[in-house]
Amino acid sequence: GNSVTQMEGPVTLSEEAFLTINCTYTATGYPSLFWYVQYPGEGLQLLLKATKADDKGSNKGFEATYRKETTSFHLEKGSVQVSDSAVYFCALSDLRAGGSYIPTFGRGTSLIVHP
Amino acid sequence: DSGVTQTPKHLITATGQRVTLRCSPRSGDLSVYWYQQSLDQGLQFLIQYYNGEERAKGNILERFSAQQFPDLHSELNLSSLELGDSALYFCASSVDQLLSTDTQYFGPGTRLTVL
Repeated sequence: GNSVTQMEGPVTLSEEAFLTINCTYTATGYPSLFWYVQYPGEGLQLLLKATKADDKGSNKGFEATYRKETTSFHLEKGSVQVSDSAVYFCALSDLRAGGSYIPTFGRGTSLIVHP
Repeated sequence: DSGVTQTPKHLITATGQRVTLRCSPRSGDLSVYWYQQSLDQGLQFLIQYYNGEERAKGNILERFSAQQFPDLHSELNLSSLELGDSALYFCASSVDQLLSTDTQYFGPGTRLTVL
């Protein structure tokens, strides 16, 4: 079946450092890819998405490029802030019986940013 | 605020008991999804309802059941509870889920503790 693998955390950075969180996927076909973020005590919220190869999703300074050749969707940010501390989930759309696309999530990567 | 509400926020109960978790989707959303988030299993999809009917099923145990009512709110019933059922339970909603690019909106979750 389809799956998503993320780098294990926690990732600990100082403010203004460069962030990369690796994500690779295994899928049949060409799924859409997503990054969700979960702030402490809250539910997940969509951060960005890409729907086809070479698409770049971006939001709030975060970027990720859909790389079909390496089956990857790494999340990057040039300069992190303390407020970016959260858990980040990579996901792909997975077609289920019944015709619905349900996200398959990675295990999540915790990011801790120190002042 | 995603617009998805869940009650209660916290629930503490004993093994063998039965509990009901409630979710109200965003206004206009017809699909409701239930997820379980635990440290060992990560974020697992349980079940989806669309306009009152079951649409997709994930890793939902037979002890668990769900329904969606005519006003579109949904309830997740967990019975014969075991210690391993302790987890965060999220509800999400979307207009539908027929497109791979569709976004889900997550509620804040219900934290269930089984003692």
